[in-house]
Amino acid sequence: DIQMTQSPSSLSASVGDRVTITCRASQSIGSYFNWYQQKPGKAPKLLIYAASSLQSGVPSRFIGSGSGTDFTLTISSLQPEDFATYYCQQSYSTPYTFGQGTNLEIK
Amino acid sequence: EVQLVESGGGLVQPGRSLRLSCAASGFTFADYAMHWVRQAPGKGLEWVSGISWNSGRIGYADSVKGRFTISRDNAKNSLYLQMNSLRAEDTALYYCAKDLSSAMIPLSLDFWGQGTLVTVSS
Repeated sequence: DIQMTQSPSSLSASVGDRVTITCRASQSIGSYFNWYQQKPGKAPKLLIYAASSLQSGVPSRFIGSGSGTDFTLTISSLQPEDFATYYCQQSYSTPYTFGQGTNLEIK
Repeated sequence: EVQLVESGGGLVQPGRSLRLSCAASGFTFADYAMHWVRQAPGKGLEWVSGISWNSGRIGYADSVKGRFTISRDNAKNSLYLQMNSLRAEDTALYYCAKDLSSAMIPLSLDFWGQGTLVTVSS
């Protein structure tokens, strides 16, 4: 199975900050990679698919990049509604594995 | 508006069975792959199983292979998960999710239900 390792596991930031979350795959997965956001008590929401494609309706401050084994989610200017948990996921092969999550908290 | 409504969860004893259902509306169900993803209390996300638009391709997590069976009825716009030989570690909120594509590979889950809770305990 492909292992996905996210860092950091938690992050404190302020509104307006630029933040970066990274994810590393245990083997090359090309651009078969997604980012999701989950708020407490809610279902996850797709933010980025195919490593860098912005899902419809998602603000442009969310930027995905990377290919192969290393991927990054950047939020260019944090908004109050962005404080949540973020998960990466490989979509290269089954079983489709998620990272352990990054909890983004308000500083 | 896309809607996915899961049902069938509940409290069940170890070793018993449960069948989850997901009723879909607001899109052409038969055109898309569908998946089950679970989340144990306070934990992260785990992909459980997926099925392509025509049931021609099916996949399972190693943790449920041989115990769970995914199926779909395109005429009824419904997705199912038959769960047998349930274990305590299967306790989780089970989400039904729609894929962006029909084929199940690559996977991108663009709509999710609110989940149904399965608790396995004696």
